[in-house]
Amino acid sequence: DVKVTQSSRYLVKRTGEKVFLECVQDMDHENMFWYRQDPGLGLRLIYFSYDVKMKEKGDIPEGYSVSREKKERFSLILESASTNQTSMYLCASTAYSEAFFGQGTRLTVV
Amino acid sequence: RKEVEQDPGPFNVPEGATVAFNCTYSNSASQSFFWYRQDCRKEPKLLMSVYSSGNEDGRFTAQLNRASQYISLLIRDSKLSDSATYLCVVLLPNAGNMLTFGGGTRLMVKP
Repeated sequence: DVKVTQSSRYLVKRTGEKVFLECVQDMDHENMFWYRQDPGLGLRLIYFSYDVKMKEKGDIPEGYSVSREKKERFSLILESASTNQTSMYLCASTAYSEAFFGQGTRLTVV
Repeated sequence: RKEVEQDPGPFNVPEGATVAFNCTYSNSASQSFFWYRQDCRKEPKLLMSVYSSGNEDGRFTAQLNRASQYISLLIRDSKLSDSATYLCVVLLPNAGNMLTFGGGTRLMVKP
């Protein structure tokens, strides 16, 4: 019954590495989102996409980029990982009256 | 002003207590409202949608007040397993079904 799948649950990367976080949804939703969640700061929107090849910056896009080549897949890219990008990353997809989250990727940058 | 605001808590209550959380939203065009529950180190999961007429699911009751732009969640007969963070989520259909989150309210139910 999985609806939104993130490629990794836990990830450890080195500073300066290029990191790809993948998110796939099987509900044919048009809208997909990437958030990061940090203690005391809640969920913060990084990027979102409302259609294939469309993307919009969220509240904290610096240091990130995204790719949406297919409707079901929304990728978050850390061009050059830094320690301040250590966080929990959550992907979500929505339609008019429903929203689902992936299980989260806990990324540690060392 | 944040678009969706919640009291972060924590709310510390004894087992069996009734506890209520409120969430205010600023965009009057908001149309869909949800309460999500998030356990430590897990992803948020849908607890219940919030309908204009209010809805109840067992010990949980959600209400929507459009005039005052807030939603509420009432938990009766609290259980230890209710300890979690409760997120208020608002969907804006005129902005690509944008999800807007409150910061979450932390509930701790004590024996």
